[in-house]
Amino acid sequence: GQQLNQSPQSMFIQEGEDVSMNCTSSSIFNTWLWYKQDPGEGPVLLIALYKAGELTSNGRLTAQFGITRKDSFLNISASIPSDVGIYFCAGQLHNSWGKLQFGAGTQVVVTP
Amino acid sequence: EAGVTQFPSHSVIEKGQTVTLRCDPISGHDNLYWYRRVMGKEIKFLLHFVKESKQDESGMPNNRFLAERTGGTYSTLKVQPAELEDSGVYFCASSQLWSTGYTFGSGTRLTVV
Repeated sequence: GQQLNQSPQSMFIQEGEDVSMNCTSSSIFNTWLWYKQDPGEGPVLLIALYKAGELTSNGRLTAQFGITRKDSFLNISASIPSDVGIYFCAGQLHNSWGKLQFGAGTQVVVTP
Repeated sequence: EAGVTQFPSHSVIEKGQTVTLRCDPISGHDNLYWYRRVMGKEIKFLLHFVKESKQDESGMPNNRFLAERTGGTYSTLKVQPAELEDSGVYFCASSQLWSTGYTFGSGTRLTVV
């Protein structure tokens, strides 16, 4: 079936640095979503993107829906310790009734 | 507003036993989804209820998995008999009928030994 390739798998960064991660797919999605999972919790929606080329910010987070509709990236600027967690991209196909396909996640570790 | 609640948070069972996971969605949410994440891999779709009806169960691994949502409120996911490869974190999520980007529960970590 379809597969989302998310990279990198993990990142070890220093506080204050910027973080960038991306997802690519062979399928065309009509929605891209970015989630963050803290330890022991479920994924929490960070940003939703609905249109090709759309660039959306949420505080220090910025995400873009690729022009081809097959990719998306997430940037975190000026990282802080609470940015630690696993970040997942998710794509929704047209007429899929909300069913999401997820990437394998990017583990972010922030050191002081 | 209470979030999506899952019970239990952890379960350790022996191979061959039965386990039932429960999900209470946010009140009024007609969509209810089950997903599973096996260690280090992607979160995979299992199935989707709209109210009490199964809209899509294409992700259910095999007939050892049975999901129900009687009355369109809470849902249960039963694994019988459990196998080692069933270990993982099972997430439930819910949303309003035409909404995108749903709310996840904290998950049930299932370990089959």
